[in-house]
Amino acid sequence: DTAVSQTPKYLVTQMGNDKSIKCEQNLGHDTMYWYKQDSKKFLKIMFSYNNKELIINETVPNRFSPKSPDKAHLNLHINSLELGDSAVYFCASSQAPAVEKLFFGSGTQLSVL
Amino acid sequence: GENVEQHPSTLSVQEGDSAVIKCTYSDSASNYFPWYKQELGKGPQLIIDIRSNVGEKKDQRIAVTLNKTAKHFSLHITETQPEDSAVYFCAATPNNAGNMLTFGGGTRLMVKP
Repeated sequence: DTAVSQTPKYLVTQMGNDKSIKCEQNLGHDTMYWYKQDSKKFLKIMFSYNNKELIINETVPNRFSPKSPDKAHLNLHINSLELGDSAVYFCASSQAPAVEKLFFGSGTQLSVL
Repeated sequence: GENVEQHPSTLSVQEGDSAVIKCTYSDSASNYFPWYKQELGKGPQLIIDIRSNVGEKKDQRIAVTLNKTAKHFSLHITETQPEDSAVYFCAATPNNAGNMLTFGGGTRLMVKP
């Protein structure tokens, strides 16, 4: 009964590969996000979707492409992985009127070798 | 845009002592200030938040204070317990940015039994 679940939890891959991370929330929220946490624990928003529509797209390389098939799912596809992409990626969701209150998944630790 | 700075980056206290974590923000339009706790291997979890029309808020052993004039806010944890050990993040968002949270760099709190 996990509220925000993302898979896989760990992802180890070679440079140049393409990989996807999946996220699902069962909270009935309208808004979903992807955050990146670097090795120094710094958390930065990457994307935000509201009812399957992109509303925030921070300065992220276009190798990163989010896809929201429905409002309960927000997947992240990464092309041509680079060493600097190694980080923990968190999915989160929230719901109006309290859109600021984020519910985070447990993270996907991506290691690019 | 908003810039949030958090201090200290690490904090070690003895069980039963108090812990204080401080944050400053740059955008005077910010009006929502949450605190998140991230335990090892998990995603951040909202523990308390405050809005700019309130100077202080308390929830059991945790409290948050806000000084809008000085643009800083603090998290206070009293009677610390080993299970309080985690990384704590402050964040801020302007009302007109909706769900665009800017996080501080995090504080690793260690409570020694």
